[in-house]
Amino acid sequence: EIVLTQSPATLSMSPGERATLSCRASHSINTYLAWYRQNPGQAPRLLIYDASNRATGIPARFSGSGSGTDFTLTISSLEPEDLAVYFCQQRSSWPWTFGQGTKVEIK
Amino acid sequence: QITLKESGPTLVKPTQTLTLTCTFSGFSLSTSGVGVGWIRQPPGKALEWLVVIYWDDNKRYSPSLKNRLSITKDTSKNQVVLTVTDMDPVDTATYYCAYILYGVPGLWGPGTLVTVSS
Repeated sequence: EIVLTQSPATLSMSPGERATLSCRASHSINTYLAWYRQNPGQAPRLLIYDASNRATGIPARFSGSGSGTDFTLTISSLEPEDLAVYFCQQRSSWPWTFGQGTKVEIK
Repeated sequence: QITLKESGPTLVKPTQTLTLTCTFSGFSLSTSGVGVGWIRQPPGKALEWLVVIYWDDNKRYSPSLKNRLSITKDTSKNQVVLTVTDMDPVDTATYYCAYILYGVPGLWGPGTLVTVSS
């Protein structure tokens, strides 16, 4: 099973700031990585798939990069709705797995 | 517009069997490349993939839960049914179903919280 490790666990930010989230895989997963945002009490929403492709309706302030074992999600300028928990997920091999999440909170 | 919604009991007793239904619209589970998966999230914890069923009836089960899970689809009703046997308090979680296209889980249902308690 592929283990995904996200860092940091918590990111204290202010609206308007740039946020950088990391996800590291225990084995190479090519670019089969997705990023989700989960707002409180809601289901996760797909932001990025296959490492760098924005999902339908996702604004350009979200970007993803990486391949192999190291991946990054960048939010160029935080909006209030971006204060949430972010999960990465791999679909390179079954069972698909998630990281433990990074919480982006108000500084 | 694609939508999914999970339904089933909110409370089950230990050792009972949980049956959840995912009712969807806006796509067909007989279309090539389409799948529906189930994911769960214990309160305050991370997400866990349980199972995926594909348009061709191929199924992938979580190895850790394989003996307790069963998934079926009813293409005519646009429904997928998940069964989990021998429920335990550690199975308390929000259960989500998700639409999958060519391997990408693009849209999730709102989820349903299932509590396991006597």
